[in-house]
Amino acid sequence: QKEVEQDPGPLSVPEGAIVSLNCTYSNSAFQYFMWYRQYSRKGPELLMYTYSSGNKEDGRFTAQVDKSSKYISLFIRDSQPSDSATYLCAMSGAGNTGKLIFGQGTTLQVKP
Amino acid sequence: DTEVTQTPKHLVMGMTNKKSLKCEQHMGHRAMYWYKQKAKKPPELMFVYSYEKLSINESVPSRFSPECPNSSLLNLHLHALQPEDSALYLCASSQAQSRTGGEQYFGPGTRLTVT
Repeated sequence: QKEVEQDPGPLSVPEGAIVSLNCTYSNSAFQYFMWYRQYSRKGPELLMYTYSSGNKEDGRFTAQVDKSSKYISLFIRDSQPSDSATYLCAMSGAGNTGKLIFGQGTTLQVKP
Repeated sequence: DTEVTQTPKHLVMGMTNKKSLKCEQHMGHRAMYWYKQKAKKPPELMFVYSYEKLSINESVPSRFSPECPNSSLLNLHLHALQPEDSALYLCASSQAQSRTGGEQYFGPGTRLTVT
């Protein structure tokens, strides 16, 4: 079993839809949770960085962490075709190395 | 400014060549990272430098040789690579290497093809 599970998709939604992206994890020591967006043939871009459980909002993006369920989510409101990309969850805090553990990434397509 | 720059953008090299990838950041970050990413896979950590010293080597073959000349620069020297080493090589940086992993900022990557 992988430490971090993420459905690779692809996920296809119409423009304006609310998108929900999710990851589950098995290591209860993780405390820091990140979402990266990666456009094709580009480097990952940090979207959200959260600590422990709770919600964090930034514009159209909301990150949720539920440590009791070992489940994290990224919501995108009013999705746009420019949101079409691969979304990677990542987490850290287990051990002292600071190593990020990534999910497999979910490919999102927002259709006009 | 959260920019990490990488050169070259593309590189094609033969299995007997020696080449280098370069990474630069001017955010004052003291931790720098090399990742390898294959198509439709997440980035895989290769090396971590903390305060210009090699902190983590994820059992990377010796044909990859990292170097951190100063706090802003990171190089990856390549020699006698194999075709399966073809991938996107990503550099990242964070304020420090800590148990949090820090907020890591990635460069655009170098797309390497080994022929």
